[in-house]
Amino acid sequence: DIVMTQSPLSLAVTPGEPASISCRSSQSLLNRNGNTYLDWYLQKPGKSPQLLIYLTFNRASGVPDRFSGSGSGTDFTLRISRVEAEDVGVYYCMQALQTPFTFGPGTKVEIK
Amino acid sequence: QVQLQQSGPGLVKPSQTLSLTCAISGDTVSNKNDGWGWIRQSPSRGLEWLGRTFYRSQWQTDYVPHVMGRITINPDTSKNRLTLELNSVTPEDTAVYYCVKTRALGQGIVSWGQGTLVTVSS
Repeated sequence: DIVMTQSPLSLAVTPGEPASISCRSSQSLLNRNGNTYLDWYLQKPGKSPQLLIYLTFNRASGVPDRFSGSGSGTDFTLRISRVEAEDVGVYYCMQALQTPFTFGPGTKVEIK
Repeated sequence: QVQLQQSGPGLVKPSQTLSLTCAISGDTVSNKNDGWGWIRQSPSRGLEWLGRTFYRSQWQTDYVPHVMGRITINPDTSKNRLTLELNSVTPEDTAVYYCVKTRALGQGIVSWGQGTLVTVSS
């Protein structure tokens, strides 16, 4: 199975400030079709996870443009340009290159 | 807007079978663009993909290897729902179980059920 790691595991951010989360995979997530199969999800407190980013940098429907994804191969980043109070929760990266899909351990984002 | 409504018992005895149902509205389980699966979440294992089923020219299913032999994910086209059965459960199977919809071509897990906490205990 592909192993996913994330850093940091927790993050406290001042509203309006940027935030960045890193994700690394144990093998390249680049498919022969040219797409890189890395997703980002946010699990708000008490809720089911929700899709933020798919295929490394594509924002899901309804996701604010302050969220952006980047990266290639085995190294990826989720950036929030200006954190808002509603962004608190746990952020997970997930590889969708091969089954079983696997998730990172999560990064808990709190507001200072 | 797709909605996934989960149902099933919250308590299962060790060695018995965990059974959950996911009623799908706003879409059909045999949609050739999508897949349907189950994910669970526990403090010890985090988010864990269990498996999925999808229809192209025929039904295909894949499972995470370490539960293969104990797990069955079935589409029920007559009732437009998805079912999960996990046999011979142990306390390690205690988790919140989510029904999910996945888009084809790597477009992500676009819908999640509300989650069902299943506790395995005598």
